[in-house]
Amino acid sequence: DIVMTQSPDSLAVSLGERATINCKSSQSVLYSSNNKNYLAWYQQKPGQPPKLLIYWASTRESGVPDRFSGSGSGTDFTLTISSLQAEDVAVYYCQQYYSTLPFTFGPGTKVDIK
Amino acid sequence: QVQLVQSGAEVKKPGSSVKVSCKASGGTFSSYAISWVRQAPGQGLEWMGGIIPIFGTANYAQKFQGRVTITTDESTSTAYMELSSLRSEDTAVYYCARSIVLRYFDWLLGWFDPWGQGTLVTVSS
Repeated sequence: DIVMTQSPDSLAVSLGERATINCKSSQSVLYSSNNKNYLAWYQQKPGQPPKLLIYWASTRESGVPDRFSGSGSGTDFTLTISSLQAEDVAVYYCQQYYSTLPFTFGPGTKVDIK
Repeated sequence: QVQLVQSGAEVKKPGSSVKVSCKASGGTFSSYAISWVRQAPGQGLEWMGGIIPIFGTANYAQKFQGRVTITTDESTSTAYMELSSLRSEDTAVYYCARSIVLRYFDWLLGWFDPWGQGTLVTVSS
């Protein structure tokens, strides 16, 4: 199984400041045949299901604010919130779909306001 | 816009079974995959298994093999997840989620979108 790790476990950022979350996979999730990274990011607010933010490591889902961006390739990925808003308080998960038997998620990163 | 609506909360005794439903509305059902993901209280996300309705065969995470059964009813666009031999550690919110199928022959699926609202299953004596 592909093991996903995230850092930090939690972070507190001032409103309007940048938040950066890292995700690492135990093996590359980049398919050389199409040069795509099989990685997604989700946001989960308390009492709600996860919400898709980004897929293919850097493609923003329709309707997701452009302050959210994804980057990275191979085994190392980053989710950046360029200017943190109050409504961005949530837990963020990365997920690989390079090998979907099984799908695996990172342990999550909690983002709070400082 | 497809929506996934799950059945309501359940309270079960240890050793019993639970069956949770997930009804899709507003979009295509059969050619996508439906997965089940659970989240124990205060914990992360854990994939349990999934199914591509048009094929009818399910795949399961090794941890749940023999205890979970995922099925679909295409006539009602509904997926089901049944978990047996329940124990207290199975207390969790269970979500269904839809994926595109990137490649059928080796069951390569895509990201999860949308998700159902979740069903709380409490296992307690």
